[in-house]
Amino acid sequence: ETGVTQTPRHLVMGMTNKKSLKCEQHLGHNAMYWYKQSAKKPLELMFVYNFKEQTENNSVPSRFSPECPNSSHLFLHLHTLQPEDSALYLCASSLYSGENTIYFGEGSWLTVV
Amino acid sequence: SQQGEEDPQALSIQEGENATMNCSYKTSINNLQWYRQNSGRGLVHLILIRSNEREKHSGRLRVTLDTSKKSSSLLITASRAADTASYFCATDSGAGSYQLTFGKGTKLSVIP
Repeated sequence: ETGVTQTPRHLVMGMTNKKSLKCEQHLGHNAMYWYKQSAKKPLELMFVYNFKEQTENNSVPSRFSPECPNSSHLFLHLHTLQPEDSALYLCASSLYSGENTIYFGEGSWLTVV
Repeated sequence: SQQGEEDPQALSIQEGENATMNCSYKTSINNLQWYRQNSGRGLVHLILIRSNEREKHSGRLRVTLDTSKKSSSLLITASRAADTASYFCATDSGAGSYQLTFGKGTKLSVIP
């Protein structure tokens, strides 16, 4: 138990579906992140939220839409995805500070068919 | 852009042997961190070494940092089958940003 909970753990969706990934952290952190991990590629930072404000969007396609209603919750809304979007999506949180240790959830395995 | 890069990409050793993984990075940093990921799971923080530190220990882990060579190494002593995982180094940009950039990782297999 890392203090960061992601649901669902596995998701299969069609290219025309709309679904959401949910993340909740119980660590009192102020920053939350979405990362994408594909086979044989480095971990890709997608979005960063600091005190609910989006501070980074690494040129992520608009078919991925993040939402951060408060410092403890983070969503990733998915629509009109492509098969190449199939990956492990990792949520994480941290105290955004000089020693920025990041705590990850267990991830959501997404398969787009 | 990718900051840290681990070497080797894959490493296979016998239980009881030591495992050494290396990380090289490009720009100056405030600190460097190592994380571990079991297959299909989230990453877990192992250890952080500050830019003014040269060596740090935590249990069977020993991390070194050479800022002149922009490199770090992670040594796992007396490896166990349970150490089988991927290991990633992560660095910040050192330019006032706390953002971490991860490398591709080293996949360690410890054979019982």
